[in-house]
Order: sequence, then C-alpha cells, then structure tokens
Amino acid sequence: AQRVTQPEKLLSVFKGAPVELKCNYSYSGSPELFWYVQYSRQRLQLLLRHISRESIKGFTADLNKGETSFHLKKPFAQEEDSAMYYCALSGRPKAAGNKLTFGGGTRVLVKP
Amino acid sequence: NAGVTQTPKFQVLKTGQSMTLQCAQDMNHEYMSWYRQDPGMGLRLIHYSVGAGITDQGEVPNGYNVSRSTTEDFPLRLLSAAPSQTSVYFCASSYREGYSPLHFGNGTRLTVT
Repeated sequence: AQRVTQPEKLLSVFKGAPVELKCNYSYSGSPELFWYVQYSRQRLQLLLRHISRESIKGFTADLNKGETSFHLKKPFAQEEDSAMYYCALSGRPKAAGNKLTFGGGTRVLVKP
Repeated sequence: NAGVTQTPKFQVLKTGQSMTLQCAQDMNHEYMSWYRQDPGMGLRLIHYSVGAGITDQGEVPNGYNVSRSTTEDFPLRLLSAAPSQTSVYFCASSYREGYSPLHFGNGTRLTVT
C-alpha cells in the first residue's frame, strides 16, 4: 500500500524567512512525487513534480529515495505563498490511470 | 475553455436522501476521478474512470456510484446520504497516456444532516 505523510498541519513563517514543508512517503516501487497547491478561493493545481526537476515560484523539491522524502522548500517566503499544500504520490505502472495518493496537507501562513 | 466544471457548489441533504454531483470537462481528457477532502486526511480517491464505459473503485468507494457514458461527464451518485459523507468533493481529469497533471474542479461542499 502507498502512503503519504505530511507531519505539519500548519506552518507559520514571516515574510522573507525560509520555509520547508515536509513530505514522507511509503511505496515499495519507484514512485512519482508531486506537490499540489490550493490558494484561497482557487482550485487545487499542480505546483511541481520531481521528474521535471523544476523550480516553480521559487519552490524546489528533491526526491530522497533513501529517506523516502520529498520536502518542498523556498528560501524566502512571500505573503502570496500562503495556501494549502498537498504532497501526492503516483505509483507505477500507470496502466490504471493517474491515481494519486495525497498527504493530509499543510497550511502555510506567511506573516508580513 | 471551462476546464472541469462541478455542480452544485453547495448542497445540504438529509440522511437517506439521494443526489448526484455533476462533473464535466471540455479538454477531451480520458481520465476522470472523484476525491473527497476531509480535514487532516487530505484527498481520498472515491472512484475513477480511464475512459467512457470504464470505471473502477478508489480508496473509499462505499456509498457512492459512478458511471461514464461519455468522455465529458462523470457524475457521482449518493444513493442514501449519511452524515459521514459530509465533505468537500472534487472532480479531476487528465490525459491518460503517460502522466499529465490533474485538473481539478472548484469542488462541491456537501453537508448531510
């Protein structure tokens, strides 16, 4: 069975401070990991995925297979980063479609 | 381009009532799914479909039915609502081949009294 754990329900930081959202997963195969974000009054949307190795809105995430983690980081948080963040895992093979297992979510509050 | 459209946005039901949550997408996506969002539990997959005429159960399918008669529509039916089904429901779609991001609807907030 696959599982995603986000240990922090709420993360409160000051503007300009670094922010790190933790995500740990359990999966026996080789997973694909994603971060989704939900801003206030907006739809849930993809933020980034590990296979792209991209930086979106200043956020990066590195897949650490040894620690089974996929933490999301940003060196300088902005007020517009305040949102709900979900870590998600997709197992392989993809024959069954894009089923995702989501973590419980972390609410980020960036204070001025 | 509307993307994924869910109706209604809000609904209050009494225990035992039935209703259908509507979901439509105009992106010609093969894959569609329903999730429920509960505090502290993230999003849990209820049912999904990899194409018209094909549906399968997700993690929490009990109490829900789905059908996929067309590529565009994927309604979720509650046959006999229970207070445990009070939640926010999200419909999502994506291309099936390879991985592509899930596109979410705005959600339906359902309260069962």
